[in-house]
Amino acid sequence: EVQLVESGGGLVQPGGSLRLSCAASGFTFSSYAIHWVRQAPGKGLEFVLGISSKGDNIYYTDSVKGRFTISRDNSKNTIYLQMGSLRLEDMAVYYCARARVAVSSPYFDYWGQGTLVTVSS
Amino acid sequence: EIVLTQSPGTLSLSPGERATLSCRASQSVSSSYLAWYQQKPGQAPRLLIYGASSRATGIPDRFSGSGSGTDFTLTISRLEPEDFAVFYCQQYGSSPLTFGGGTKVEIK
Repeated sequence: EVQLVESGGGLVQPGGSLRLSCAASGFTFSSYAIHWVRQAPGKGLEFVLGISSKGDNIYYTDSVKGRFTISRDNSKNTIYLQMGSLRLEDMAVYYCARARVAVSSPYFDYWGQGTLVTVSS
Repeated sequence: EIVLTQSPGTLSLSPGERATLSCRASQSVSSSYLAWYQQKPGQAPRLLIYGASSRATGIPDRFSGSGSGTDFTLTISRLEPEDFAVFYCQQYGSSPLTFGGGTKVEIK
């Protein structure tokens, strides 16, 4: 069974940092790109960033460039999202999702349950 | 960037009725690379349709997708109680991928 499990969410002050993790199981992790998609409270879905299967290509939405980075450890079947210089508008549930078709612009066939990032002073 | 506009914002229907949801793109979606997701409160999105009309694994055949170019439709032939949720379309024909704003299907 394909599973993606996010962790690391929590309360952080504006300007602070946080690292999220996404642990995968049930499939050949190193063969798939993984992306992060977020959802602000009561709002729709927004692509944040994604990483190719080998980690050699990364895609960002403009609003997080220079502040967020993504990495993966294929030996641990885990994706990491390092978030810095957090803003109020970054507050959201963050989902990791398995990407299909093109790495740069995929659709998502499996999603984690999400982890909530709250940005507040 | 391709902007996706979903309509209506809310659809009020009864179980057993047919639901028709629209997703319109600001420019043509390459290769009909359009997906539909269902999201229930407190849950992650679930993939329903990809490639505009292909059902994902385990999705009942009452869900169907159609369309090409800039106009796409998700149809639920007969609503079951568990189908009431928010539905999102997403295009992946060009980068960056984008989502529509969602259509809520609620019980009338």
